[in-house]
Amino acid sequence: SQTIHQWPATLVQPVGSPLSLECTVEGTSNPNLYWYRQAAGRGLQLLFYSVGIGQISSEVPQNLSASRPQDRQFILSSKKLLLSDSGFYLCAWIAQGPGEQFFGPGTRLTVL
Amino acid sequence: KQEVTQIPAALSVPEGENLVLNCSFTDSAIYNLQWFRQDPGKGLTSLLLIQSSQREQTSGRLNASLDKSSGRSTLYIAASQPGDSATYLCAVSDGGSQGNLIFGKGTKLSVKP
Repeated sequence: SQTIHQWPATLVQPVGSPLSLECTVEGTSNPNLYWYRQAAGRGLQLLFYSVGIGQISSEVPQNLSASRPQDRQFILSSKKLLLSDSGFYLCAWIAQGPGEQFFGPGTRLTVL
Repeated sequence: KQEVTQIPAALSVPEGENLVLNCSFTDSAIYNLQWFRQDPGKGLTSLLLIQSSQREQTSGRLNASLDKSSGRSTLYIAASQPGDSATYLCAVSDGGSQGNLIFGKGTKLSVKP
């Protein structure tokens, strides 16, 4: 069966520090991968999606970037965090788009 | 631009009651619609996926309907239990190889024992 992992589970970082969040999927090949952010009191916002290795599409201009170095690995990064980057970051996958989307457990990021 | 709205934002019911959560979307050209459940501080759990050609899907005490032409979906929960307390999210996909979802802001459900 398929499993999606995210780490770390929680993270507290100072403003201006770098960021690296990792997401990996097991039990499937060539999935579509997604990064979402859920800010307090707001809905889920799609940040990036990837349909294959090295293929990244950004949905909104922002301080973050994403990379997909391996088929089942998706990384969210920042060189310098802002206060507004705080939120709950969720990774998701689909075996073939469009289809049923499955989410990971999330990473709670607090920028101080 | 597709917009998804969920009403009500919050709902509190006594245990055992049947209830309906509503979801509406502005563009009827959707590929599918998905209902999720989110517990506090957790990720999303997929409940039901309805393809655009389908009218409804059922899983246990849950039944989701889709009326694409009117831009509406409902999630029906029968015989609610305290364990059903969570935020329920509706999301639509407009198709394409990306499979991107557009989410509503959710309905926070509280089932009182």
